[in-house]
Amino acid sequence: ETGVTQTPRHLVMGMTNKKSLKCEQHLGHNAMYWYKQSAKKPLELMFVYSLEERVENNSVPSRFSPECPNSSHLFLHLHTLQPEDSALYLCASSHQRGTQYFGPGTRLLVL
Amino acid sequence: EDKVVQSPLSLVVHEGDTVTLNCSYEVTNFRSLLWYKQEKKAPTFLFMLTSSGIEKKSGRLSSILDKKELFSILNITATQTGDSAVYLCAPAGNSGGSNYKLTFGKGTLLTVNP
Repeated sequence: ETGVTQTPRHLVMGMTNKKSLKCEQHLGHNAMYWYKQSAKKPLELMFVYSLEERVENNSVPSRFSPECPNSSHLFLHLHTLQPEDSALYLCASSHQRGTQYFGPGTRLLVL
Repeated sequence: EDKVVQSPLSLVVHEGDTVTLNCSYEVTNFRSLLWYKQEKKAPTFLFMLTSSGIEKKSGRLSSILDKKELFSILNITATQTGDSAVYLCAPAGNSGGSNYKLTFGKGTLLTVNP
């Protein structure tokens, strides 16, 4: 599935670094999502952008900051992360209320 | 708080066996329920169920939803080693506004041995 792409695929960063994850969808969808998948835990929704409306999970720390400049691109800006933030970060897109299709994910390791 | 419980958490079978995976849910303003298959990468979409009692089929896989009992099952017949994966159940609900969100269960890890 190449409809949703994510870069980088792997990222190692220190706790003082600033980095950004990028997601791009080529499916003509109008909603995009960030999920976090930690080992042995369910997928956790972090943020939703749909028709310029943003919805966020209140439990997501402020060291994660999303940006959605248009309906095809989504970023997740990372700063001063903690080792427990190491996880697989998945981007998904959909038509509003439609089936979500996932990107391949970015495997993040925070040292 | 929205809740999804999948059972069993893991299952080991032999090729050719039939398996049934279970998903019970409680979500606000339920709209639909999705099943995904996840191997070593991102989840891939299997089914979206919106109506009770209507079975959806795709090859050896089938799924059905019971909106009264808040329950869905995923059946796989004549299993193959390629079916080995984590199967995720995700009901979609709407807690307000125009968006809905998926709440994922922990998944069922299926291992199919030759």
